[in-house]
Amino acid sequence: NAGVTQTPKFQVLKTGQSMTLQCAQDMNHNSMYWYRQDPGMGLRLIYYSASEGTTDKGEVPNGYNVSRLNKREFSLRLESAAPSQTSVYFCASSESRLAPGAQYFGPGTRLLVL
Amino acid sequence: GIQVEQSPPDLILQEGANSTLRCNFSDSVNNLQWFHQNPWGQLINLFYIPSGTKQNGRLSATTVATERYSLLYISSSQTTDSGVYFCAVPRFIKAAGNKLTFGGGTRVLVKP
Repeated sequence: NAGVTQTPKFQVLKTGQSMTLQCAQDMNHNSMYWYRQDPGMGLRLIYYSASEGTTDKGEVPNGYNVSRLNKREFSLRLESAAPSQTSVYFCASSESRLAPGAQYFGPGTRLLVL
Repeated sequence: GIQVEQSPPDLILQEGANSTLRCNFSDSVNNLQWFHQNPWGQLINLFYIPSGTKQNGRLSATTVATERYSLLYISSSQTTDSGVYFCAVPRFIKAAGNKLTFGGGTRVLVKP
């Protein structure tokens, strides 16, 4: 049982390049989330998916798109990377669709945009 | 939206010391999580504690929801306790899923 996994662990991009961050969970959770963490700050929600086939915007969605490929996988895409998107990206999942449940986080992806 | 504040922002401990971290929140909540972010950046679930007290080894947490605060106790601290401790409270999003609002964190350094 690996929990929540993310790839890649680290990535360097040039301004304007695109990339997709991958996330998968093996806990059969319904809900999945993408957060970003900037230096010295807590996490902020980018997008979330309450169930397979649905996605919604969080606090800071601009510049990102997401795909809930199936129940296990939730990807985050940067179409045209900007230096302001330099951050650490965390994926999380939780088990309950109808009640607040504990969220479990992946190890993070460190992204540097030059 | 709900505000989550943590104190102190920084804490330096001598190995073996005890400490208390505090999390205040501005609105009623029906659960709360504590996380430890280790020096490698990994976020580790410590407690899911809507109310009452829970213990896990040298760590324990108490949430008093009616007074809108939670406390995290670290006893007999070890150098491996170093890192940043976050509390986070959830909010429903459109009756499906939940959004975590994080406090600013308490940065803990345990010196040998």
